[in-house]
Amino acid sequence: GENVEQHPSTLSVQEGDSAVIKCTYSDSASNYFPWYKQELGKGPQLIIDIRSNVGEKKDQRIAVTLNKTAKHFSLHITETQPEDSAVYFCAASKGTYKYIFGTGTRLKVLA
Amino acid sequence: DAGVIQSPRHEVTEMGQEVTLRCKPISGHDYLFWYRQTMMRGLELLIYFNNNVPIDDSGMPEDRFSAKMPNASFSTLKIQPSEPRDSAVYFCASSLAGNSGNTIYFGEGSWLTVV
Repeated sequence: GENVEQHPSTLSVQEGDSAVIKCTYSDSASNYFPWYKQELGKGPQLIIDIRSNVGEKKDQRIAVTLNKTAKHFSLHITETQPEDSAVYFCAASKGTYKYIFGTGTRLKVLA
Repeated sequence: DAGVIQSPRHEVTEMGQEVTLRCKPISGHDYLFWYRQTMMRGLELLIYFNNNVPIDDSGMPEDRFSAKMPNASFSTLKIQPSEPRDSAVYFCASSLAGNSGNTIYFGEGSWLTVV
């Protein structure tokens, strides 16, 4: 079945620096890749997503890139701020609602 | 707009007791999901409904777990009898078919501890 690997599991960056989180998926039929941010004590919230017909998508300080050939996609956060500290999850789906989530990355932005 | 509403937010119960978790999806959404989150297994899809009908319950761990959706605005996840290994955060989520990207919106979660 589909498997999604996410790295790193923890990431510490200085405020203002960039953060990159990478995910690899196994099923080449996957065509939708959302990223969720989960703050302590809260549910995951969608922050950005990308479809397989697009290579890159940006939303202010957040961007996601997709390499279908290599079957990996990445989340890029620029000019990090303390409020970016959270756990980030990637996911993959084949256009259905059965998301396969990565194991999460705990991002700490150091002031 | 109100998001997905779950209750209770926290529940501590003794092994063997029945636990009922409740969810109100976002108004107008036609898909409802139940997820479980643990440190060991991450986020797991337990079951999901479309128009109140269970579509896929392959993630339900065993017969002790059951879920119902009697109407478009309410769902329950029941564990009977509960066991310590059921301790986890249970998330309800909802989505609207045809939205941009099958986006799933999560509730705040129900933190279950079985002692």
